Amino acid sequence: GENVEQHPSTLSVQEGDSAVIKCTYSDSASNYFPWYKQELGKGPQLIIDIRSNVGEKKDQRIAVTLNKTAKHFSLHITETQPEDSAVYFCAASIGRDDKIIFGKGTRLHILP
Amino acid sequence: EAGVAQSPRYKIIEKRQSVAFWCNPISGHATLYWYQQILGQGPKLLIQFQNNGVVDDSQLPKDRFSAERLKGVDSTLKIQPAKLEDSAVYLCASSPAPGRYGYTFGSGTRLTVV
Repeated sequence: GENVEQHPSTLSVQEGDSAVIKCTYSDSASNYFPWYKQELGKGPQLIIDIRSNVGEKKDQRIAVTLNKTAKHFSLHITETQPEDSAVYFCAASIGRDDKIIFGKGTRLHILP
Repeated sequence: EAGVAQSPRYKIIEKRQSVAFWCNPISGHATLYWYQQILGQGPKLLIQFQNNGVVDDSQLPKDRFSAERLKGVDSTLKIQPAKLEDSAVYLCASSPAPGRYGYTFGSGTRLTVV
């Protein structure tokens, strides 16, 4: 079936450095790609999204890139801070009903 | 704007018992979703409603799970009878329309089946 692959599963970076999380998707018709951040005991929170007619989008320290030909997209966090520590999920819309399916998540640790 | 409300926050039941979860979406959001999130995994879609109609329930184990969304607003998800492997966080989310808008998730209900 359609799926979204995400890696790495765990990522540790020094505070102030950059973090990159990568995802691939299988449905060539996917046209919407959101990223969510989940903190302990909370539901996922949308942090940025990108649509298929755009190659890159930036919001302060967070940016997302999309390569439709290769069917992969990435999240970039610059100047990481302790509050960036969380689990991050990529997702993609699939099917004619545009349901959203999620990757398995990346646990990001920001080291002091 | 008020977020997605879910209750209860936690529930512990014995296997073969039944349990129900409740969700109140953001006002005006036509699309409502129930996801199951097993520890260490990404959310898995169980069912998608558009207003009070089911759009997709292909991943819902219909022999034990049921869901309804009366009047196109609140929704309940029921498990009967529960199995040990149903232990997970059940997340409700809503959006103005399917797929092209980010979802707003509730805090979830953590279910433990013993």
